[in-house]
Amino acid sequence: AQTVTQSQPEMSVQEAETVTLSCTYDTSESDYYLFWYKQPPSRQMILVIRQEAYKQQNATENRFSVNFQKAAKSFSLKISDSQLGDAAMYFCAYARGSNYKLTFGKGTLLTVNP
Amino acid sequence: NAGVMQNPRHLVRRRGQEARLRCSPMKGHSHVYWYRQLPEEGLKFMVYLQKENIIDESGMPKERFSAEFPKEGPSILRIQQVVRGDSAAYFCASSPYTGLDTEAFFGQGTRLTVV
Repeated sequence: AQTVTQSQPEMSVQEAETVTLSCTYDTSESDYYLFWYKQPPSRQMILVIRQEAYKQQNATENRFSVNFQKAAKSFSLKISDSQLGDAAMYFCAYARGSNYKLTFGKGTLLTVNP
Repeated sequence: NAGVMQNPRHLVRRRGQEARLRCSPMKGHSHVYWYRQLPEEGLKFMVYLQKENIIDESGMPKERFSAEFPKEGPSILRIQQVVRGDSAAYFCASSPYTGLDTEAFFGQGTRLTVV
C-alpha cells in the first residue's frame, strides 16, 4: 500500500522569507501524481500544486514550487516570499490511476510570522 | 458556479443517534467522493459514487456507514448509531470525471461531534 509521510508537524517562517515543507512517499508504481493541498482555518481543502511522476520538470505555480526527486521518493514544497495568507495546514498527497483515491500525509502546520 | 456545498458545517449527535451529512457537488460534476479526517490526521478516502451508483467503497467501515447519490438531490453520508470514535471532519469532493488531469474540488467539510 502507498504511504505518504510528512516529518514536520509544524513549521514557521517570517513574512517574505522562503520555507520548504518535506514529503516522502512509498510506492512500487512508476506512473502516479503527487499533490500539495492547503487547508486554512476555514477547513476548505485547496489544491496548491500537482506533479506528474513521468515529468522530470518540477511544477511551479507562482510563489509555489516543488522539488520532485523520483528516485528518492521525495516531493518537497517551496513557498517563496511567504505571506500571512499562506498560514495553513499543508497536506502532501499521492494518487494513481484516478483523482479520487488520494492518499494523504498527516500534514504540516505552517505559521507565518509578521 | 457555486463550489461543493456541504451541510451542516457542524453536527452534534449523542451516542446511538444517526448522523446525516449532505453534499451537493459542483454544477456539472457527476462524481462524488467522501473522505474522513480524524483529529491530527490527513484525509482518508471512504467512498466514491456516481449518480445512483456506488463505484468504490473500499474505505468505508463495513457497519453503520452508508452512502448514496440519488438521481435528484445531494449525496448523503449516513452514520447509524454513532459512537465517540466517529467524531471527525467529513469532506466531500466532486469532479466532472476521474482522470488525474482534472481537479477534485472539496467542500468545507462537516465536523461531527459525538457526545
